[in-house]
Order: sequence, then C-alpha cells, then structure tokens
Amino acid sequence: GDSVTQMEGPVTLSEEAFLTINCTYTATGYPSLFWYVQYPGEGLQLLLKATKADDKGSNKGFEATYRKETTSFHLEKGSVQVSDSAVYFCALSKGPSTGGFKTIFGAGTRLFVKA
Amino acid sequence: GAVVSQHPSWVICKSGTSVKIECRSLDFQATTMFWYRQFPKQSLMLMATSNEGSKATYEQGVEKDKFLINHASLTLSTLTVTSAHPEDSSFYICSAGNQLSSYNEQFFGPGTRLTVL
Repeated sequence: GDSVTQMEGPVTLSEEAFLTINCTYTATGYPSLFWYVQYPGEGLQLLLKATKADDKGSNKGFEATYRKETTSFHLEKGSVQVSDSAVYFCALSKGPSTGGFKTIFGAGTRLFVKA
Repeated sequence: GAVVSQHPSWVICKSGTSVKIECRSLDFQATTMFWYRQFPKQSLMLMATSNEGSKATYEQGVEKDKFLINHASLTLSTLTVTSAHPEDSSFYICSAGNQLSSYNEQFFGPGTRLTVL
C-alpha cells in the first residue's frame, strides 16, 4: 500500500544552520505531496506542497522538490531559526480517481533549534 | 487556503459520558471530511472518512459504535465519542476536502484535546 517514510528525530540544530529532513514515499498513480508543521499544542498547518513531478514547493524559506525518479520530497531550509522548532510531517494525498481520497502521513520529525 | 474550525478546542469529561466534537469548513464546501487521532509525540492516525450525506468509512480497528460520525451538510461534520473512557483521551483533528479539487488537498482544523477523567 501507499506509505510515507521520513527521517527519525529529534533533529537538533543551532540557529542559522542548514536543515534537511528526508522524506520518501511509495504510491501508485500520481499523488500530491505535502509538508505540514505542527507547533506544540496546535493543529497542523500546511507548510508547502507540490502536485506533480519536478514541482518545487516553497514557503517561509522552506523548500521541497517533488522527485519522481527517487520518490522523494526532502524538506530544506538554508538558515533555521528558533521559531522553526516544531514537528514536521511529510504526507501524500491521492484524489478519488486514483484509489481513494485520503492523506497518508509520515511519522513526523521533531526539530529543535538552539539559540 | 480554506479555513476549518473545530469546537470545542478542549474538553474535560467524566468517564462514561459522551462528547461531541464539531468540525466546520467556513469558506468552502467540503464533500469529504476526515477524522484523525493523535497520541502524544506520534503521527496522525486516520479514524474515518465521511462523505456528505453518506455513512462514514472507518479504518480497521476503529469502533464505529464508539466513534459516531455524522456529515449531514457540506460544511459540518461531527464526531461523538460515546461512553468515553480515559484511554479515549487524545488530540482529535478533523480535515476537510473537496473531491472536485484537482490538488487532492485537505485543510486541517486546529484540533480538539479530549481528556477523560
């Protein structure tokens, strides 16, 4: 079945360090790919998305590129801030015509950024 | 993006009582709504999928008689936790989507924290 695998955390970085959180997926058809962020005690916020191969999603300095050949959607940011400390979820979603309209989440990666 | 609200944002109840959580899509018509459960420091677990006007489809292992889902309109779905027990304490998150959307995107509510004493 469809699945999402992302690197285990926690990831601890110093402020202004480079961030990469790896995400790979297994899916039939053509899923859309997403990164969500969850701050402590809050719900999920969409961080960025990509809907087809080679698309690059970007928001707030974060980027991820939909790589069909490697089935990956790695999240990157050039310079993290303390306020980026949160849990990041990689996810895929398929429409109703491609096997069911649902979102499948990775396990989440907790990021701590130290000042 | 579209806005989804949940009410209440947190609730504390006694064991044996029932609790209703509302999920509303405020500015779009949600043909499909999803209910998730999240345990501390874990990912979201899909509980059920509901299409407007139809019975909900529950994931394996989720008791449909315990978690009653109603999706009576294109803007409202409710989750009722019946005869709640301490093990039902969790963070419940809903999301809403429209099957006519080409991006397969769901919009998430802020979550409801349920504590059963």
